[in-house]
Amino acid sequence: DAGVIQSPRHEVTEMGQEVTLRCKPISGHDYLFWYRQTMMRGLELLIYFNNNVPIDDSGMPEDRFSAKMPNASFSTLKIQPSEPRDSAVYFCASSPTASNQPQHFGDGTRLSIL
Amino acid sequence: LAKTTQPISMDSYEGQEVNITCSHNNIATNDYITWYQQFPSQGPRFIIQGYKTKVTNEVASLFIPADRKSSTLSLPRVSLSDTAVYYCLVGGSDTGRRALTFGSGTRLQVQP
Repeated sequence: DAGVIQSPRHEVTEMGQEVTLRCKPISGHDYLFWYRQTMMRGLELLIYFNNNVPIDDSGMPEDRFSAKMPNASFSTLKIQPSEPRDSAVYFCASSPTASNQPQHFGDGTRLSIL
Repeated sequence: LAKTTQPISMDSYEGQEVNITCSHNNIATNDYITWYQQFPSQGPRFIIQGYKTKVTNEVASLFIPADRKSSTLSLPRVSLSDTAVYYCLVGGSDTGRRALTFGSGTRLQVQP
């Protein structure tokens, strides 16, 4: 079975540019999560969805960040405009039935903003 | 909120049993305890989840005392490939973000 698929795996861009990260959750999973990981702050939950509806976006750093889930098989995390401090590894995860159920993580997108 | 506390790091040798303890003094009645493992450059991977007493799978065991204020992840006979960061999470299906807080984790280094 295919796991959570994230793209791209690596992204390098200049500050001010728009960045779009993509995620395909495991089929049948009702929950989708976006995390950011840095050395300084560890693994932080940005936002999560239940049945395509955003439930908690209190972890989104600021208005430059936005996330959408137009259907059950696709989600995007967008940063516009990007800044060097946004450099991190961004993970997408999904879980079947509840927010505390075991999550399945993708391989992450390593984002570098120059 | 059920905040978790774990040791920052642990060292072990191949073949030894490793026990990592997580404290969660304010655990709620509906909360489960979940452990994840993360290797460098990879996303966390689910290891084990439990509610009370003992849970065992092919990878690890989870020991939870009666008061549930702590839990211990036990890795039998570790190998070099068990070198990773281990996270303890606590939460129930109704706790939203609280069940999704990873904390700093425990960095396990296994030596030959």
